[in-house]
Parts: sequence; C-alpha cells; structure tokens
Amino acid sequence: SYVLTQPPSVSVAPGKTARITCGGNNIGSKSVHWYQQKPGQAPVLVVYDDSDRPSGIPERFSGSNSGNTATLTISRVEAGDEADYFCQVWDSSTDHVVFGGGTKLTVL
Amino acid sequence: EVQLLESGGGLVQPGGSLRLSCATSGFIFNNFALSWVRQAPGKGLEWVSTIRGGAGTTYYADSVKGRFTISRDNSKITLYLLINSLRAEDTAVYYCAKILVGGADGPGDYWGQGTLVTVSS
Repeated sequence: SYVLTQPPSVSVAPGKTARITCGGNNIGSKSVHWYQQKPGQAPVLVVYDDSDRPSGIPERFSGSNSGNTATLTISRVEAGDEADYFCQVWDSSTDHVVFGGGTKLTVL
Repeated sequence: EVQLLESGGGLVQPGGSLRLSCATSGFIFNNFALSWVRQAPGKGLEWVSTIRGGAGTTYYADSVKGRFTISRDNSKITLYLLINSLRAEDTAVYYCAKILVGGADGPGDYWGQGTLVTVSS
C-alpha cells in the first residue's frame, strides 16, 4: 500500500517560513492535498491539487510537489498557524485515500 | 452555506453496531462524493470510506471492508455509515466530509464537527 511520510514536528519562529514535507514514492505524479487541524476542531483544507488554495485561505499558505516530496510552505508564520498538518493523496492502484501521519507545527 | 452535521455516535460494546448519519445542506448533494474519516484519540486522520456522487460507487479502507457500509439518501441529503462487529480499535471521532468533486479522488473541502464512537465493555 502507498505510504506518506511526514516529520512528526516542525518548529518555527513567528514571522519566519515553515516548510512541512510529505514524502511518497513518485508523489510528484499524484495530486496532494493539505489540511490544518487545531485541537478539538475538524480539519480544514488549506491547499489542494498540490498548490491551489481554497477561498478564504491566506496567500501565506502555498504548496509544491515534485519527485518524491511534496511541501507545504507557510510564510510569515503567525501564532494562529500552530496546528497539526496532514497531507493526503488518492492511490489509484488501490482506489484508497491515503493520509500522512501528520506534522505538529509549533510556533516558538 | 455548506454544512455537515454528524450524529449517531456513542458508547457501544465490542461486537455491537451503530449507524452514523451526516445531515447536509448548502450544496447539490447528488453531484458530490462524500467520505468518512476517523481519528482515534491522540492519533492522525484515517480514511474510512468514500461514496461517489451520482451512481454512488463505494470505496473502503482495508481495515473496515466487510464490516462497514457507506450509503447515501439523495432525497434526505444525508450520508450514512453502518458499522458492525465493532472493535476497540474502532474507537474514534468519525468525521464526514464533502469532496470537492464528484469523484472519489478529490480533497475534502467541507467537514463536519465529528461524532465520537467509543467501543468498550
């Protein structure tokens, strides 16, 4: 089965740039979606199809995907960005949705 | 405004059954795929099942196939998840999510607040 690998944690100072990676075999050939989840809340879609943003999501959130790594980039990080972030793909070989294990973003 | 509201969770004994519901509003229900995603306490997101819009093709995670059944009632604009033969490892918050497109491969662009299922004797 297809596996997505995320670092368990990433720390960043306010105003700096956070990069959260999502590794998978030839993930560049798939569409990657990213979710933000704050404690006690439902996930929120922040980037879809590698680099598109839903309406209402700040331009500070961006995504890229190439080779074996997809990346969610959060520019000018704010305290309110502290959350868990999950990547997701569709595995067409099994017709399964696959989530990464999640990354906890800490704003120092 | 798109809204999804789950219900039906609760405490159930191992081997028991539950039917979860997800009442929706604010979008053309039949045009979109819908998914169930669960999250065990302190753990990450785990996909459970998806049902496409239209003809309603279904997909299941290996961990629930044969025990869970996803369905949709287009007249009631409600999504369901029938869960049988419950195990302790099924304990989780169960979220329903609207998929951005009609197919199963899109992202969940709207999510409910979740319903907690606890399996314990």
